[in-house]
Amino acid sequence: GENVEQHPSTLSVQEGDSAVIKCTYSDSASNYFPWYKQELGKRPQLIIDIRSNVGEKKDQRIAVTLNKTAKHFSLHITETQPEDSAVYFCAALNYGGSQGNLIFGKGTKLSVKP
Amino acid sequence: EAQVTQNPRYLITVTGKKLTVTCSQNMNHEYMSWYRQDPGLGLRQIYYSMNVEVTDKGDVPEGYKVSRKEKRNFPLILESPSPNQTSLYFCASSLFPTSATYNEQFFGPGTRLTVL
Repeated sequence: GENVEQHPSTLSVQEGDSAVIKCTYSDSASNYFPWYKQELGKRPQLIIDIRSNVGEKKDQRIAVTLNKTAKHFSLHITETQPEDSAVYFCAALNYGGSQGNLIFGKGTKLSVKP
Repeated sequence: EAQVTQNPRYLITVTGKKLTVTCSQNMNHEYMSWYRQDPGLGLRQIYYSMNVEVTDKGDVPEGYKVSRKEKRNFPLILESPSPNQTSLYFCASSLFPTSATYNEQFFGPGTRLTVL
């Protein structure tokens, strides 16, 4: 089955700096890669996603890149702000397969220092 | 308001006492799923359902049961809870995952379960 590895487990940056979180996946059939943000005591919420036919996607200060050959994808947050502090999860899914389970990484706790 | 609801939000119980955590969504989603969240382990899928009467095991199904008799409801059943099932549980729903649909999973507020 699919296995998703996420690094680093914790990340501390100064406000205004960039943050990068990386994930690798094992199943080459995976074709959908979302990123979820979970603030303390809250539920996870989707912040950006990418499909396997796209190499990069941006949404304001957030971008995701995908390298299908290397089977890794990354989340990039520019001009970080204190409200970006949260736990971020990457995930992988094969939406065309017989199984529909979304496999999550273990999460990255991002702390943005003012 | 489009939402996923879970009940109860908090539950303290004892080993062996059967319990059910309910999950309901009002978005007409085909796909529903249960996750447990433990420190350092992230979100691990327990069971998922692609549609009514269709359920499949996730990564950590042992000790859990589910049913999908109606599209909107997906209860999680612990027949004989044990302390290692103490965790934060999330239900989630989405449209049937395909290349043409928007695949965001909407999460419920979570249920914090403690088994003594």
